[in-house]
Amino acid sequence: SQQGEEDPQALSIQEGENATMNCSYKTSINNLQWYRQNSGRGLVHLILIRSNEREKHSGRLRVTLDTSKKSSSLLITASRAADTASYFCATVMEYGNKLVFGAGTILRVKS
Amino acid sequence: SAVISQKPSRDICQRGTSLTIQCQVDSQVTMMFWYRQQPGQSLTLIATANQGSEATYESGFVIDKFPISRPNLTFSTLTVSNMSPEDSSIYLCSVESGGLGETQYFGPGTRLLVL
Repeated sequence: SQQGEEDPQALSIQEGENATMNCSYKTSINNLQWYRQNSGRGLVHLILIRSNEREKHSGRLRVTLDTSKKSSSLLITASRAADTASYFCATVMEYGNKLVFGAGTILRVKS
Repeated sequence: SAVISQKPSRDICQRGTSLTIQCQVDSQVTMMFWYRQQPGQSLTLIATANQGSEATYESGFVIDKFPISRPNLTFSTLTVSNMSPEDSSIYLCSVESGGLGETQYFGPGTRLLVL
Protein backbone atom coordinates (compact mmCIF):
# COMPACT_ATOMS: atom_id res chain seq x y z
CA SER A 1 0.00 0.00 0.00
CA GLN A 2 1.12 3.53 -0.57
CA GLN A 3 2.95 5.21 2.24
CA GLY A 4 1.77 8.72 1.55
CA GLU A 5 -1.60 10.32 1.28
CA GLU A 6 -1.97 13.69 -0.35
CA ASP A 7 -4.57 16.38 -0.20
CA PRO A 8 -6.22 17.93 -1.89
CA GLN A 9 -6.73 15.41 -4.70
CA ALA A 10 -7.24 18.31 -7.08
CA LEU A 11 -6.63 22.03 -6.86
CA SER A 12 -7.64 24.77 -9.28
CA ILE A 13 -6.27 28.28 -8.85
CA GLN A 14 -5.71 31.47 -10.82
CA GLU A 15 -2.32 32.42 -12.17
CA GLY A 16 -0.40 34.43 -9.59
CA GLU A 17 -2.00 32.72 -6.61
CA ASN A 18 -0.15 30.37 -4.28
CA ALA A 19 -0.78 26.63 -4.28
CA THR A 20 -0.35 24.43 -1.23
CA MET A 21 -0.34 20.65 -1.31
CA ASN A 22 -0.07 18.38 1.70
CA CYS A 23 1.35 14.92 2.17
CA SER A 24 1.02 12.59 5.14
CA TYR A 25 2.87 9.34 5.70
CA LYS A 26 2.80 6.46 8.15
CA THR A 27 6.28 5.32 9.14
CA SER A 28 9.60 6.91 10.08
CA ILE A 29 11.41 8.23 7.07
CA ASN A 30 14.92 8.95 5.86
CA ASN A 31 13.77 11.64 3.46
CA LEU A 32 10.73 12.92 1.59
CA GLN A 33 10.77 14.02 -2.02
CA TRP A 34 8.40 15.94 -4.26
CA TYR A 35 8.01 15.22 -7.96
CA ARG A 36 6.02 16.79 -10.79
CA GLN A 37 4.44 14.95 -13.69
CA ASN A 38 3.14 16.73 -16.76
CA SER A 39 0.33 15.03 -18.68
CA GLY A 40 1.20 11.43 -17.81
CA ARG A 41 4.80 11.77 -18.84
CA GLY A 42 7.99 11.14 -16.87
CA LEU A 43 8.44 12.55 -13.41
CA VAL A 44 10.68 15.49 -12.64
CA HIS A 45 12.33 15.75 -9.25
CA LEU A 46 11.55 19.03 -7.47
CA ILE A 47 13.05 18.88 -4.02
CA LEU A 48 14.30 16.48 -1.35
CA ILE A 49 14.01 17.20 2.38
CA ARG A 50 15.72 15.02 4.95
CA SER A 51 14.20 13.86 8.22
CA ASN A 52 16.38 16.25 10.22
CA GLU A 53 15.33 19.27 8.15
CA ARG A 54 12.21 21.32 8.74
CA GLU A 55 12.07 23.61 5.73
CA LYS A 56 13.66 23.88 2.32
CA HIS A 57 13.39 26.35 -0.54
CA SER A 58 14.05 26.09 -4.24
CA GLY A 59 13.04 29.04 -6.38
CA ARG A 60 9.26 29.44 -6.02
CA LEU A 61 8.99 26.19 -4.09
CA ARG A 62 8.89 25.89 -0.33
CA VAL A 63 8.71 22.51 1.38
CA THR A 64 8.14 21.92 5.07
CA LEU A 65 8.44 18.69 7.00
CA ASP A 66 6.92 17.91 10.40
CA THR A 67 8.15 14.51 11.50
CA SER A 68 6.08 14.62 14.69
CA LYS A 69 2.92 14.84 12.60
CA LYS A 70 4.35 12.74 9.79
CA SER A 71 3.40 15.34 7.25
CA SER A 72 4.89 17.62 4.62
CA SER A 73 3.62 20.48 2.54
CA LEU A 74 4.66 21.89 -0.82
CA LEU A 75 3.98 25.57 -1.47
CA ILE A 76 4.26 26.98 -4.96
CA THR A 77 4.24 30.77 -4.89
CA ALA A 78 3.11 33.06 -7.69
CA SER A 79 1.84 30.13 -9.74
CA ARG A 80 2.01 30.08 -13.53
CA ALA A 81 -0.01 28.22 -16.14
CA ALA A 82 3.09 26.08 -16.75
CA ASP A 83 2.83 24.78 -13.18
CA THR A 84 -0.26 22.82 -14.24
CA ALA A 85 0.69 19.20 -13.51
CA SER A 86 0.32 16.36 -11.05
CA TYR A 87 2.47 16.61 -7.93
CA PHE A 88 3.56 13.56 -5.96
CA CYS A 89 5.28 13.20 -2.65
CA ALA A 90 7.46 10.14 -2.19
CA THR A 91 9.05 8.86 0.98
CA VAL A 92 12.12 6.79 1.63
CA MET A 93 11.69 4.88 4.84
CA GLU A 94 14.33 4.92 7.54
CA TYR A 95 17.05 2.43 6.53
CA GLY A 96 15.25 1.96 3.23
CA ASN A 97 16.19 2.65 -0.35
CA LYS A 98 12.89 2.65 -2.21
CA LEU A 99 10.61 5.50 -3.09
CA VAL A 100 7.00 5.01 -2.01
CA PHE A 101 4.70 7.45 -3.74
CA GLY A 102 1.62 9.20 -2.47
CA ALA A 103 -1.61 9.42 -4.42
CA GLY A 104 -0.76 12.82 -5.90
CA THR A 105 -2.43 16.20 -6.28
CA ILE A 106 -3.62 17.46 -9.65
CA LEU A 107 -2.92 21.19 -9.91
CA ARG A 108 -4.56 23.34 -12.53
CA VAL A 109 -3.44 26.94 -12.88
CA LYS A 110 -5.81 29.05 -14.94
CA SER A 111 -4.51 31.99 -16.92
CA SER B 1 21.74 14.37 -13.74
CA ALA B 2 20.99 11.34 -15.88
CA VAL B 3 19.21 11.36 -19.21
CA ILE B 4 16.93 8.39 -19.71
CA SER B 5 15.16 7.25 -22.84
CA GLN B 6 12.48 4.61 -23.22
CA LYS B 7 11.21 2.69 -26.22
CA PRO B 8 8.51 2.49 -27.32
CA SER B 9 6.89 5.69 -26.13
CA ARG B 10 3.47 4.13 -26.59
CA ASP B 11 1.90 1.00 -27.98
CA ILE B 12 -1.45 -0.65 -28.49
CA CYS B 13 -1.36 -4.40 -28.05
CA GLN B 14 -3.74 -7.33 -28.24
CA ARG B 15 -4.48 -9.38 -25.16
CA GLY B 16 -2.35 -12.48 -24.79
CA THR B 17 0.69 -10.92 -26.43
CA SER B 18 3.88 -9.62 -24.80
CA LEU B 19 5.67 -6.29 -25.05
CA THR B 20 9.28 -5.53 -24.19
CA ILE B 21 10.09 -2.00 -23.03
CA GLN B 22 13.64 -0.72 -23.28
CA CYS B 23 15.30 1.77 -20.94
CA GLN B 24 18.60 3.41 -21.84
CA VAL B 25 20.64 5.68 -19.54
CA ASP B 26 23.40 8.02 -20.65
CA SER B 27 25.69 7.03 -17.76
CA GLN B 28 26.53 3.91 -15.82
CA VAL B 29 24.25 3.28 -12.86
CA THR B 30 24.08 0.51 -10.30
CA MET B 31 20.36 0.28 -9.73
CA MET B 32 17.49 0.77 -12.12
CA PHE B 33 13.84 0.76 -11.12
CA TRP B 34 10.67 -0.12 -12.98
CA TYR B 35 7.33 1.42 -12.01
CA ARG B 36 3.76 1.01 -13.15
CA GLN B 37 1.26 3.85 -13.16
CA GLN B 38 -2.29 2.71 -13.77
CA PRO B 39 -4.75 5.22 -15.25
CA GLY B 40 -5.36 8.10 -12.86
CA GLN B 41 -3.22 6.49 -10.18
CA SER B 42 0.14 7.00 -8.55
CA LEU B 43 3.33 5.07 -9.22
CA THR B 44 3.90 1.57 -7.89
CA LEU B 45 7.34 -0.02 -7.85
CA ILE B 46 7.46 -3.26 -9.84
CA ALA B 47 11.07 -4.27 -9.31
CA THR B 48 14.64 -3.16 -8.80
CA ALA B 49 17.19 -4.27 -11.37
CA ASN B 50 20.88 -4.61 -10.54
CA GLN B 51 23.42 -5.47 -13.17
CA GLY B 52 24.64 -9.03 -12.86
CA SER B 53 21.92 -10.30 -10.58
CA GLU B 54 18.26 -11.22 -10.68
CA ALA B 55 15.80 -8.41 -10.29
CA THR B 56 14.09 -7.96 -6.94
CA TYR B 57 10.31 -7.87 -7.27
CA GLU B 58 7.84 -6.09 -5.02
CA SER B 59 4.85 -7.77 -3.48
CA GLY B 60 2.21 -8.46 -6.11
CA PHE B 61 4.64 -8.62 -9.03
CA VAL B 62 6.23 -11.83 -10.30
CA ILE B 63 9.04 -12.63 -12.69
CA ASP B 64 6.87 -14.75 -14.99
CA LYS B 65 4.60 -11.78 -15.66
CA PHE B 66 7.27 -9.04 -15.69
CA PRO B 67 10.64 -10.52 -16.65
CA ILE B 68 13.46 -8.00 -16.47
CA SER B 69 16.88 -8.03 -18.04
CA ARG B 70 19.87 -5.92 -16.99
CA PRO B 71 22.73 -6.85 -19.33
CA ASN B 72 24.94 -3.87 -18.52
CA LEU B 73 25.15 -0.70 -16.42
CA THR B 74 23.29 1.53 -18.91
CA PHE B 75 20.43 -0.62 -20.15
CA SER B 76 17.45 -2.61 -18.94
CA THR B 77 14.30 -4.14 -20.38
CA LEU B 78 10.94 -4.92 -18.85
CA THR B 79 8.62 -7.38 -20.57
CA VAL B 80 4.90 -7.36 -19.88
CA SER B 81 3.84 -10.93 -20.64
CA ASN B 82 0.53 -12.44 -21.64
CA MET B 83 -1.12 -9.05 -21.46
CA SER B 84 -4.68 -8.33 -20.43
CA PRO B 85 -6.57 -5.01 -20.45
CA GLU B 86 -5.67 -4.63 -16.74
CA ASP B 87 -2.04 -4.16 -17.82
CA SER B 88 -2.93 -0.91 -19.58
CA SER B 89 -0.71 1.58 -17.78
CA ILE B 90 2.26 3.85 -18.10
CA TYR B 91 5.50 2.01 -17.39
CA LEU B 92 8.43 4.10 -16.21
CA CYS B 93 12.05 3.32 -15.54
CA SER B 94 14.23 5.36 -13.22
CA VAL B 95 17.74 5.52 -11.82
CA GLU B 96 19.14 6.92 -8.61
CA SER B 97 21.32 9.98 -8.69
CA GLY B 98 23.64 9.57 -5.78
CA GLY B 99 23.04 6.58 -3.64
CA LEU B 100 20.36 4.56 -1.97
CA GLY B 101 17.18 6.45 -1.25
CA GLU B 102 18.29 9.61 -3.01
CA THR B 103 16.78 11.53 -5.91
CA GLN B 104 15.61 9.44 -8.83
CA TYR B 105 15.61 10.42 -12.49
CA PHE B 106 12.77 9.09 -14.57
CA GLY B 107 12.40 8.18 -18.18
CA PRO B 108 9.51 9.64 -20.22
CA GLY B 109 7.43 6.51 -19.77
CA THR B 110 5.83 3.96 -22.08
CA ARG B 111 2.08 4.29 -22.44
CA LEU B 112 0.55 0.86 -23.02
CA LEU B 113 -3.02 0.13 -24.04
CA VAL B 114 -4.13 -3.49 -24.16
CA LEU B 115 -7.28 -4.30 -26.12
